[in-house]
Amino acid sequence: DTGVSQDPRHKITKRGQNVTFRCDPISEHNRLYWYRQTLGQGPEFLTYFQNEAQLEKSRLLSDRFSAERPKGSFSTLEIQRTEQGDSAMYLCASGKGGGTGELFFGEGSRLTVL
Amino acid sequence: GDSVTQMEGPVTLSEEAFLTINCTYTATGYPSLFWYVQYPGEGLQLLLKATKADDKGSNKGFEATYRKETTSFHLEKGSVQVSDSAVYFCAPYSTLTFGKGTMLLVSP
Repeated sequence: DTGVSQDPRHKITKRGQNVTFRCDPISEHNRLYWYRQTLGQGPEFLTYFQNEAQLEKSRLLSDRFSAERPKGSFSTLEIQRTEQGDSAMYLCASGKGGGTGELFFGEGSRLTVL
Repeated sequence: GDSVTQMEGPVTLSEEAFLTINCTYTATGYPSLFWYVQYPGEGLQLLLKATKADDKGSNKGFEATYRKETTSFHLEKGSVQVSDSAVYFCAPYSTLTFGKGTMLLVSP
């Protein structure tokens, strides 16, 4: 069990640029979640996948955000035309569908938009 | 809508003190309940869970009991250590929502 891995761990970009984060879940987990966390706050749900299907998206996820999980394994989260308000830690978590709902988190990808 | 309410921090305690962090929630049905912990510089990790009413989850000396009547899942520890300093998050599974987190600072 190699755990959930995220890449890159830290991204600094200029406003208006596009960024993409990758998440590799635990291999036997069919559910994958993306959250955003800002300083002093809990994780805010963005979206989740069961296998390759995106089953739920938060109202927080504007049109500039898109997530994919094309083969039901790794996932990408892309943010287009970044804004300073997008600066946050982006967390990925995976879990087993049909279980008790326990989530296993990666260490996160920190985005800084200048 | 569904929500989680945690007591605000930081909670500052001396080593060996008793800890309670309150958590109440609203959710549809009776979801599994979780406490996650985030140590400085690390990702969130599961601390303990309870899957049905009256269950008690426990780990590392921490305990929490699933109280259906009060929709609560308060976290307790009888004697905290400096190494318990972290941020603690309450989360009922069904909502995919986390509390804002409660920072615990334990001094020697």
